[in-house]
Amino acid sequence: GDSVTQMEGPVTLSEEAFLTINCTYTATGYPSLFWYVQYPGEGLQLLLKATKADDKGSNKGFEATYRKETTSFHLEKGSVQVSDSAVYFCALSPGGGNKLTFGTGTQLKVEL
Amino acid sequence: ETGVTQTPRHLVMGMTNKKSLKCEQHLGHNAMYWYKQSAKKPLELMFVYNFKEQTENNSVPSRFSPECPNSSHLFLHLHTLQPEDSALYLCASSPGVANEKLFFGSGTQLSVL
Repeated sequence: GDSVTQMEGPVTLSEEAFLTINCTYTATGYPSLFWYVQYPGEGLQLLLKATKADDKGSNKGFEATYRKETTSFHLEKGSVQVSDSAVYFCALSPGGGNKLTFGTGTQLKVEL
Repeated sequence: ETGVTQTPRHLVMGMTNKKSLKCEQHLGHNAMYWYKQSAKKPLELMFVYNFKEQTENNSVPSRFSPECPNSSHLFLHLHTLQPEDSALYLCASSPGVANEKLFFGSGTQLSVL
């Protein structure tokens, strides 16, 4: 079946550091790929998405590129802020639609 | 604020209790979902409703009983739960089942003693 694997957290960074959170997936066909973010005490929010190979999703300074050859969708940000502290979830949807398969989430802590 | 409201925020219950979780969305969406979030595990989809009709039951034990009286409200009735059911229960909605952008509530943190 479909699955998403994320790096284990927590990831602790200093403010203005470069962020990478790894995500790889297993799926048949050509899934859409997503990053959701969960701030403390809140529900998940869609951060960015990509629907086909080589697409780059971006939002709020975060980027992720759909790499079909490596089945990856790594999340990056050039300079993190304390307000980016949250749990980040990678997810896929086979062929689009609402049946999302999520990873375990990666907690990011950004310190001054 | 995502437009999806869940109550209560926290719930502690014994294994013989009966309780209900409530979810309300003000977004005009037609699809609603229950997810279970446990530590170090992927989010688990439990139920999907589309236009008040259940379209997905992901092999959830019968001690969890969903109810969707209209497209804006979703309940999860709980009875004779087990300690391993302790988790964060998240409600979500989307414009339709063909739309993968989900809007989540803040969740109900459930502890079963």
